[in-house]
Amino acid sequence: GAVVSQHPSWVICKSGTSVKIECRSLDFQATTMFWYRQFPKQSLMLMATSNEGSKATYEQGVEKDKFLINHASLTLSTLTVTSAHPEDSSFYICSAGGQSRDIQYFGAGTRLSVL
Amino acid sequence: EDQVTQSPEALRLQEGESSSLNCSYTVSGLRGLFWYRQDPGKGPEFLFTLYSAGEEKEKERLKATLTKKESFLHITAPKPEDSATYLCAVQAQGGSEKLVFGKGTKLTVNP
Repeated sequence: GAVVSQHPSWVICKSGTSVKIECRSLDFQATTMFWYRQFPKQSLMLMATSNEGSKATYEQGVEKDKFLINHASLTLSTLTVTSAHPEDSSFYICSAGGQSRDIQYFGAGTRLSVL
Repeated sequence: EDQVTQSPEALRLQEGESSSLNCSYTVSGLRGLFWYRQDPGKGPEFLFTLYSAGEEKEKERLKATLTKKESFLHITAPKPEDSATYLCAVQAQGGSEKLVFGKGTKLTVNP
């Protein structure tokens, strides 16, 4: 149980284009979903928290107009990186909570490379 | 500001050589401390949650313990398949479910 699927696992795009990443909880309803960013040899940095049906809460320093988050259902959240630039290249990971007390279950991550 | 510091940054062990990883934390009221395992290019895999000082949890060769200032992840007789980065995270009391992660300890177990 507690499986979180993230898609795509790897994406390459041209500078200026937008990229959408999906995060699905497959066997439980996720009341809250989280989006993280991880640079090599660095810790996971929380970008935003989203609750189903409401606006996402962004961490300080994260541009909400650049990183659009939609949590339309209890099993799906999406992160759209708009007008991507090379500095947006990173490893993006989602997690979902709500299946067990306080525990976040993570997707496999998405490697984004912006050329 | 909540902070998590993990040490060592990297650890190399021979198969069967037991050791411990450290996670020191400062948090404004601990709600929970979490240990995850992360393989290269993958998302973190949940291992343990600890909620109060003195609590211990075990899973196969891993045992996690918690004090008021730090947590240890003890690895007994490790195998090469235990090689991974081990992440520690804390969650503070209050309304937010936010996790604050340390940078991790990269463990390599040589056969």
